[in-house]
Amino acid sequence: GAGVSQSPSNKVTEKGKDVELRCDPISGHTALYWYRQSLGQGLEFLIYFQGNSAPDKSGLPSDRFSAERTGGSVSTLTIQRTQQEDSAVYLCASSLNSRRRGEDGYTFGSGTRLTVV
Amino acid sequence: QKEVEQNSGPLSVPEGAIASLNCTYSDRVSQSFFWYRQYSGKSPELIMSIYSNGDKEDGRFTAQLNKASQYVSLLIRDSQPSDSATYLCAVNIGYSTLTFGKGTMLLVSP
Repeated sequence: GAGVSQSPSNKVTEKGKDVELRCDPISGHTALYWYRQSLGQGLEFLIYFQGNSAPDKSGLPSDRFSAERTGGSVSTLTIQRTQQEDSAVYLCASSLNSRRRGEDGYTFGSGTRLTVV
Repeated sequence: QKEVEQNSGPLSVPEGAIASLNCTYSDRVSQSFFWYRQYSGKSPELIMSIYSNGDKEDGRFTAQLNKASQYVSLLIRDSQPSDSATYLCAVNIGYSTLTFGKGTMLLVSP
């Protein structure tokens, strides 16, 4: 597609429920990233996918968080047993394949605003 | 230890003035530096990238990089009210994924 597409744009869930957030990167971008941004806070790295390589999961805050990327394209971020502190905007970004990750700027999607009540 | 630091602001400038936004980073091996603009309630938008020491100009924007001082800045000439936003500095610390600063809020008054 022309840009990074994320869905849903807003999600309100009850504490303890599982949620799935979806990201469709720009066609041809092999690198995909998930970040989250809490109110008044900076962007917090969660996970990184590059082609068929094993993902870098070093930013996932707990084992309740997981992500997968199917066919090198669409990615799903799953949060199990949601907690109120999970409330944030979850941003997906993609970039061109680079010899070194972080070499290219990222293009962000419009984000999913998650509210856990 | 904070890795990418920015003054949170707000930085207030009158319309037509030059806005100067600054960022310092902790890792000397960083090679890629970016400035993003984020309007309230929107996602970050890439506006400048810089990889070599010196200045890089793009329209009203100039990015400046000094690797020896571990310092990167963004100058916005002829500031407009539409430039009012939060500006995020991003750096690839140690060849990893981008690390973002918390951003500087810029307010341009008419």
